[in-house]
Amino acid sequence: AQTVTQSQPEMSVQEAETVTLSCTYDTSESDYYLFWYKQPPSRQMILVIRQEAYKQQNATENRFSVNFQKAAKSFSLKISDSQLGDAAMYFCAYRSGGAQKLVFGQGTRLTINP
Amino acid sequence: GAGVSQSPRYKVAKRGQDVALRCDPISGHVSLFWYQQALGQGPEFLTYFQNEAQLDKSGLPSDRFFAERPEGSVSTLKIQRTQQEDSAVYLCASSLGQGAIQPQHFGDGTRLSIL
Repeated sequence: AQTVTQSQPEMSVQEAETVTLSCTYDTSESDYYLFWYKQPPSRQMILVIRQEAYKQQNATENRFSVNFQKAAKSFSLKISDSQLGDAAMYFCAYRSGGAQKLVFGQGTRLTINP
Repeated sequence: GAGVSQSPRYKVAKRGQDVALRCDPISGHVSLFWYQQALGQGPEFLTYFQNEAQLDKSGLPSDRFFAERPEGSVSTLKIQRTQQEDSAVYLCASSLGQGAIQPQHFGDGTRLSIL
């Protein structure tokens, strides 16, 4: 079974600075997808960014980018120019190419210091 | 509606009672998912529907958990003879189809507390 590990339970960063959240995963598959979701205190999970494993180019969405290292099974999220609204729980998630369900990590709580 | 709607937002039940949690997916979304999120943890998959067909129920923790989506839209997650370990937030998500590029859109969840 696939597993997703987020080794940083909590992270904090100064407003306007850059922070990187770590994620590693374990799989024997070659076809899969990786996601970062944000869950603010209101609880609704919001998709931040996604990466297809077959793509070598790292995905980017405005201030959010990933560092996808397929051989190392690592998928970190970089948030540039951090804003107060970025404060939330961040979850890394894996989806097999042949399945529909998401497998989530334990989450990282990100605090933005003004 | 604009997003996935779940009701009730909060549910308190006594141990042993049955509960029913409702999910209204985004209109036109074929796929529907239920996840269970314990306090301080990531969501864990429970079950998945494509239209009215329940294609994966591998995550349901016991036969006390039952989910249905009879007309391919609204879904209900039922928990019979609730136990304290059932206390969690139950998240529903929907997506347009099976494609991997179709993201799952989540509702606000139902926080279930078993006394």
